[in-house]
Amino acid sequence: GQQLNQSPQSMFIQEGEDVSMNCTSSSIFNTWLWYKQDPGEGPVLLIALYKAGELTSNGRLTAQFGITRKDSFLNISASIPSDVGIYFCAGQLRTDKLIFGTGTRLQVFP
Amino acid sequence: GAVVSQHPSRVICKSGTSVKIECRSLDFQATTMFWYRQFPKQSLMLMATSNEGSKATYEQGVEKDKFLINHASLTLSTLTVTSAHPEDSSFYICSATSQNTGELFFGEGSRLTVL
Repeated sequence: GQQLNQSPQSMFIQEGEDVSMNCTSSSIFNTWLWYKQDPGEGPVLLIALYKAGELTSNGRLTAQFGITRKDSFLNISASIPSDVGIYFCAGQLRTDKLIFGTGTRLQVFP
Repeated sequence: GAVVSQHPSRVICKSGTSVKIECRSLDFQATTMFWYRQFPKQSLMLMATSNEGSKATYEQGVEKDKFLINHASLTLSTLTVTSAHPEDSSFYICSATSQNTGELFFGEGSRLTVL
């Protein structure tokens, strides 16, 4: 199945550091979404982006919808231990069908 | 907030048996539900799109006779893994789109282990 390229694959950082991850696609999407998944649970929506160039924040999280509509990034500022998890980008096509990125596994050390 | 519930959350079965997983939207009606499969340390892969009252649309490479999907009402979709084999062991996740708001919500996932 189709997947989006997401990088980095994993990150090991110290509490308080900022984090940046991005997602690229060969296809254009109308919507970009960022999710966090904890072990054994379904993904939880963090941020949704609907317009090319849009920059949106949700607390310590900031995400942008690339101008070309083929990429997006997510930044987490001042990381804390509960930020640990797997982060997925997802591009949304028509009829709400989501294509997920390959995931970024984040580990935060105190 | 809106909730999508999956049942069972965990199931262990013997090879060759069939397993049914339910996906329910608890406080909204869902015209469309999606089924994903996630193998360990991998991403979510869309299996099929389920529309109420019509046949599901399967993604390329997903066997429709193996993974039976029924969306009999606006609040319930079921995925049946028929004649399960160990390679079918995975985390199955559904999502549902609210008929009223268009928002998309994910279930908590169902972990299937086939012995």
